[in-house]
This record gives sequence, C-alpha cells and structure tokens, in this order.
Amino acid sequence: GAGVSQSPSNKVTEKGKDVELRCDPISGHTALYWYRQRLGQGLEFLIYFQGNSAPDKSGLPSDRFSAERTGESVSTLTIQRTQQEDSAVYLCASSTRTSGPPYEQYFGPGTRLTVT
Amino acid sequence: AQTVTQSQPEMSVQEAETVTLSCTYDTSESDYYLFWYKQPPSRQMILVIRQEAYKQQNATENRFSVNFQKAAKSFSLKISDSQLGDAAMYFCAYNVGGSRLTFGEGTQLTVNP
Repeated sequence: GAGVSQSPSNKVTEKGKDVELRCDPISGHTALYWYRQRLGQGLEFLIYFQGNSAPDKSGLPSDRFSAERTGESVSTLTIQRTQQEDSAVYLCASSTRTSGPPYEQYFGPGTRLTVT
Repeated sequence: AQTVTQSQPEMSVQEAETVTLSCTYDTSESDYYLFWYKQPPSRQMILVIRQEAYKQQNATENRFSVNFQKAAKSFSLKISDSQLGDAAMYFCAYNVGGSRLTFGEGTQLTVNP
C-alpha cells in the first residue's frame, strides 16, 4: 500500500516568507508526528497529533511554527517569517493505534527546506 | 528528560565483516521501546530493528542483532556480513508507548569493498 507522502520534496524560500509543508499519512493511521532534521544531526520532535488534536506540541521551537490536521488525514506544518536557522529537512511519520505497542512510526521522505 | 547518545559519529567496516554501533540512553521509565533506524542518502528512515525493554531476549532480524543491557542503559547494534547496501546513517531511538521518538545524533557507517 501507499506509504507516507510529503510535499513538496524541496522548497527554497526567501527569509521572511511563510511556507507550508504537507504530510499525507498512511490511510487509517490515527497518529501523526512531525520532526526536524538539521544537516548532519538527529531528528528533533516538533509535534504529535492523535486524530485532529495535538496532545504534544512541546517541540515547536517558536510561535512562528504551527501545525494542523484535518480529521485523521492530511497535516500541514506552517512556518511564518522564515529564518535561515529554519533550513532543515522536515520529516513526517504516522502510526496506527489498532495494534499494540510499540506503535511503529512509518516515515515519509521529508521536505528539504532552504531559506536564503 | 530522556536522552539518547551515540558516541561514534563515523564507523567503517570491510564488506563481509562485522561491525557494532553503540548507543546509550537515559530514562526513569521502566517500560519503553528502543529502535535502530537506517537513513540512506535518499533521506527515507527505515526501521532496522526494535527491542521492548520488558523482554530480556535480544532482538534479531537476519544479519542485524542488538545487545540490550537494561541496567547499563545500553543498546548496541551488530551488523554481520556487512554489505555495500548497509552504508547509511544509523540512528538509535527511544520512546514510551507511542509517544515521540527521541533520537541520537547518528553514526555514519561506511562499508568498504
């Protein structure tokens, strides 16, 4: 079946512009996660959705970052007034709650964001 | 806060040989899960192996196995009969039942022909 998809694959934007990154989870996966990966580093957690509510958004680095999710499907991560330090790969993952733990997370291919 | 540490930024191995990647973690939880992910240049994160903390038996998946030492909070990955396709960045990760994954900084593995 189809995996997690993300769009765009690459995005170049000018400092100060707003960007929207999209994630389509695996059908039926109720949990959705956003992570950020700076060059040469590990993944940093940003936000977690269960359905369309976000019980954990403690990883969002500033109020310029926001995310929403429609039902149990698409999620959008929005970065307002982008800064050069926002340049990174943004990865989305989804998981199902119908089976027991450890609720494996399946990752998308990521969006590489470059802020010039 | 939970932390995951990978002390080897880079490792190399000869094709067909065995290599071990190290990972330590810190947690106050008693029930948790540990993972090794592989990330090739395509950026796609691929789950290699996972370990439930309540299981004493070390997980194995074909050529991949772990050495899980719960008291020492250590979770190393052994790759046997290394292949060129094993070359990638490897990340150790931790979570508690469906929550966020906490990742280490990664180990870049090179496989020499």
